Amino acid sequence: DGGITQSPKYLFRKEGQNVTLSCEQNLNHDAMYWYRQDPGQGLRLIYYSQIVNDFQKGDIAEGYSVSREKKESFPLTVTSAQKNPTAFYLCASGKSGTASYEQYFGPGTRLTVT
Amino acid sequence: AQTVTQSQPEMSVQEAETVTLSCTYDTSESDYYLFWYKQPPSRQMILVIRQEAYKQQNATENRFSVNFQKAAKSFSLKISDSQLGDAAMYFCASLGDGATNKLIFGTGTLLAVQP
Repeated sequence: DGGITQSPKYLFRKEGQNVTLSCEQNLNHDAMYWYRQDPGQGLRLIYYSQIVNDFQKGDIAEGYSVSREKKESFPLTVTSAQKNPTAFYLCASGKSGTASYEQYFGPGTRLTVT
Repeated sequence: AQTVTQSQPEMSVQEAETVTLSCTYDTSESDYYLFWYKQPPSRQMILVIRQEAYKQQNATENRFSVNFQKAAKSFSLKISDSQLGDAAMYFCASLGDGATNKLIFGTGTLLAVQP
């Protein structure tokens, strides 16, 4: 089945530790995105990538890093510099170019940092 | 900058009745797309319906339809014959800026369906 997978579903970390969230897609999409969801604030874009080996900062990139070494994978690292990392993280993918208006979302990862 | 506003934090509807969720947006793009996403308790984001701004005809998907008022920058979602499974958070989103295909989301409307 084609789709987007995110693992793990729940993640717990101690403050000061870096943590990496996984996102994999087998939809052959060029573009991938990371969003953060907080109560009452909708989804906000952290990073996006339109092509392998290239990525751009979104609206709230501070304290996060990404890599895009393979088309299928777009891992997100939440660093210790992120001041408020506890949130729900959603990965999405889509086609690139003028036809890429639709994004497909993974099931999300709930990160709790204590 | 693009913005999307959902002014109804919560809504409630009786099963089998009709409900309308409101959304307004602001964009300087001449060509853009608008979406409604549903997020049930599982938190999986599901695309409900989309509207291309250049199309005057309102989009329809089964029990879901939109009222797209381009001049007023309004994009409301109508759910007909509401079902218990429609209970979810609904997000309105806009996509313009063809270079990034960045989605801008509203803050969501939590819809409860009463049996």
